[in-house]
Amino acid sequence: GEDVEQSLFLSVREGDSSVINCTYTDSSSTYLYWYKQEPGAGLQLLTYIFSNMDMKQDQRLTVLLNKKDKHLSLRIADTQTGDSAIYFCAEMKSDRGSTLGRLYFGRGTQLTVWP
Amino acid sequence: SAVISQKPSRDICQRGTSLTIQCQVDSQVTMMFWYRQQPGQSLTLIATANQGSEATYESGFVIDKFPISRPNLTFSTLTVSNMSPEDSSIYLCSVSVTSYEQYFGPGTRLTVT
Repeated sequence: GEDVEQSLFLSVREGDSSVINCTYTDSSSTYLYWYKQEPGAGLQLLTYIFSNMDMKQDQRLTVLLNKKDKHLSLRIADTQTGDSAIYFCAEMKSDRGSTLGRLYFGRGTQLTVWP
Repeated sequence: SAVISQKPSRDICQRGTSLTIQCQVDSQVTMMFWYRQQPGQSLTLIATANQGSEATYESGFVIDKFPISRPNLTFSTLTVSNMSPEDSSIYLCSVSVTSYEQYFGPGTRLTVT
């Protein structure tokens, strides 16, 4: 596909795990990212994974990368109400022969955590 | 990482006027970017602000509408010119700290009436 795809909404109960999925476009993308946007705020870089890895864990966050299917997921363990936010998936692709890649974003997944 | 501030944080403007948004970083960075985030949409890159040269604009964005300045390695401005209601968006500044880490400012929420 042409665009980074994410489901738009996810609701979970507090204490459960959340899994946010993303399909990206380019199998040669070097880095894949998850950003978090809380209401009224900018984007916070949550985590990223290099394309030669298939998993990265950082405290409650686990990122899984399936390069064959161009699929990225973010798992949040023990989800809290403070995790309620929009989560953006992004891929870095090199453009126009530049050594610096640019980011392409999905539309974001609104995560709602119910107490 | 980098600490990025933007001014103003929000504004309501009349159509036909212009607004200049400022972006300040707490350290020197090579690459600064301006994005637009329309409601319910993904982020769209407007341009890359280059220090000492003209900005590089993405398809669909032109310098006359979105002039950009980058006078030094810690500061940039984006002007939204001759505004219309369709320009109502969040405008975000971002910087590359390394070739693979990009950080964002808090955004400027613009409403054009």
